[in-house]
Amino acid sequence: GQQLNQSPQSMFIQEGEDVSMNCTSSSIFNTWLWYKQEPGEGPVLLIALYKAGELTSNGRLTAQFGITRKDSFLNISASIPSDVGIYFCAGQLGNYGQNFVFGPGTRLSVLP
Amino acid sequence: EAGVAQSPRYKIIEKRQSVAFWCNPISGHATLYWYQQILGQGPKLLIQFQNNGVVDDSQLPKDRFSAERLKGVDSTLKIQPAKLEDSAVYLCASSPTLLWPQYFGPGTRLLVL
Repeated sequence: GQQLNQSPQSMFIQEGEDVSMNCTSSSIFNTWLWYKQEPGEGPVLLIALYKAGELTSNGRLTAQFGITRKDSFLNISASIPSDVGIYFCAGQLGNYGQNFVFGPGTRLSVLP
Repeated sequence: EAGVAQSPRYKIIEKRQSVAFWCNPISGHATLYWYQQILGQGPKLLIQFQNNGVVDDSQLPKDRFSAERLKGVDSTLKIQPAKLEDSAVYLCASSPTLLWPQYFGPGTRLLVL
């Protein structure tokens, strides 16, 4: 099946630092989504991207849809303890809303 | 606005038993998804409904898994018979239409002994 690769797999940062993570694939995607998942909960949507080159912000979070449509990145500025969790990228391959694929996730730990 | 509801939250069964999970999507959402999330991995799409029709079930193990959404609202996912490797979190998600982002429920944690 289609694969999404996320890097880094995990990261430990100090509170206040900026964070960058990315998602890549060998396939072209029509939509990129970024989710955060905390223990015992379902993923929560952070940002949705629909066009190549699109740059979208949500508070301290910024994400971009790569120009090649094969990658996306997520930045978190001035990290805080509640940013701890697993961040998943998800891409949609189909033109009609089908074929969703999730990456394996980036586990973020924030040290006070 | 109420979120996606799932029940039960936890289930422990023995292998070869049957189990069913229920999902109530956000009101008005036409598209409903079932995902399997194995510990340490991202969610894997099992089946996607648009109203009461199936859009994508290419990764559903149809020999043991089945799902239905008879009236285009609630949905049930069944496993019969369960195997040890079915231990996972089963997530339900919904979206207003096919091309909108999905909103997830809290999941049902299944342990097969």
